[in-house]
Amino acid sequence: AQSVTQPDIHITVSEGASLELRCNYSYGATPYLFWYVQSPGQGLQLLLKYFSGDTLVQGIKGFEAEFKRSQSSFNLRKPSVHWSDAAEYFCAVVPSGTTGKLIFGQGTTLQVKP
Amino acid sequence: ETGVTQTPRHLVMGMTNKKSLKCEQHLGHNAMYWYKQSAKKPLELMFVYNFKEQTENNSVPSRFSPECPNSSHLFLHLHTLQPEDSALYLCASSQDESNQPQHFGDGTRLSIL
Repeated sequence: AQSVTQPDIHITVSEGASLELRCNYSYGATPYLFWYVQSPGQGLQLLLKYFSGDTLVQGIKGFEAEFKRSQSSFNLRKPSVHWSDAAEYFCAVVPSGTTGKLIFGQGTTLQVKP
Repeated sequence: ETGVTQTPRHLVMGMTNKKSLKCEQHLGHNAMYWYKQSAKKPLELMFVYNFKEQTENNSVPSRFSPECPNSSHLFLHLHTLQPEDSALYLCASSQDESNQPQHFGDGTRLSIL
């Protein structure tokens, strides 16, 4: 079945440490790819997106993500995590050939230790 | 300020009540979306409107009735809801259905008694 998988439900990192959140998708053609962040009590904020071109994309708040076609992955990274990064992170795709159907992963909750 | 405003932020209603959720976007977009976010489940797309026309109904029960009077406003009319309908309802907009990304509001937290 076509899906978006975020294998890690919870991740805890120390402040200042590096971060990588995993995302895999199972669609044949390369979809549009997104990462969103949701802080408690708020909606989703777009961190970055990939449509085509350079496979390393830069986003807001110091985040970046790398698209790897061979692994069907779009992992989110940050070199040094800040306490304010604690939130829930969602990977999402719009499958190729569809319009508007944003399909979300289950989300990864990030906890940051002081 | 996301450019997408949802009201009310919180709503508590009984199963026999009728209420409406409102979404307004100030981004000049032409596509608007309703999503349901339940605990421990991925966000679920409910409805899509593109240039005021409904283009997607993701098998949503008829107790949820969307309305899109213009490209800036989207409503979700609620009636005879069930306890399992308690969730965060998120509205989003995009330039049009083919033009992503989507920008989200802060949601309405709905509790059904």
